[in-house]
Amino acid sequence: DAGVTQSPTHLIKTRGQQVTLRCSPISGHKSVSWYQQVLGQGPQFIFQYYEKEERGRGNFPDRFSARQFPNYSSELNVNALLLGDSALYLCASSLGYGNEKLFFGSGTQLSVL
Amino acid sequence: DQQVKQNSPSLSVQEGRISILNCDYTNSMFDYFLWYKKYPAEGPTFLISISSIKDKNEDGRFTVFLNKSAKHLSLHIVPSQPGDSAVYFCAASVAGSARQLTFGSGTQLTVLP
Repeated sequence: DAGVTQSPTHLIKTRGQQVTLRCSPISGHKSVSWYQQVLGQGPQFIFQYYEKEERGRGNFPDRFSARQFPNYSSELNVNALLLGDSALYLCASSLGYGNEKLFFGSGTQLSVL
Repeated sequence: DQQVKQNSPSLSVQEGRISILNCDYTNSMFDYFLWYKKYPAEGPTFLISISSIKDKNEDGRFTVFLNKSAKHLSLHIVPSQPGDSAVYFCAASVAGSARQLTFGSGTQLTVLP
């Protein structure tokens, strides 16, 4: 069975640009979460979506947005990129809302120059 | 304010010996704790978890201990194997929070042959 897949694996952008990251959850999983991992730190929660609705939001500015599609895949959008947005962006899926066990993808490494 | 802390950035042990990774937390609302393992260029992989109603959980070579009064948990790996070399993250969540995870900064475990 395929795990959580994310695309692209690497991305280079310049300050002020916009970026869209994509995630496909494990088949049968209805919840998708996004995390940001800055070098040397643990992943930090950005969003959780369940059944196409936002169910949780971390302490991130409004430049960050996301959505979940009817097939449960998800996109994370970041506008007006800053140098500090350079990080590994991880997508995780779980069976349902409130399920603690998350399955992570390999992430998208975003570099902002 | 780091609510989950892993104070040891790195740990080296000999193959066959016990590895003990430690984690402290400050939020008394946390009721579920997890350990994830991360290899380079891969996403975190779930290892073992424990609910706050327990003080110990075992799974093969891995055992997690929870001391609620001290707000401390630890992961024991016995015996340690070279393939265990990875970054280990401690994570915690609060009931009713959509189960968003709060991660520590990780401990790099190196098992020497």
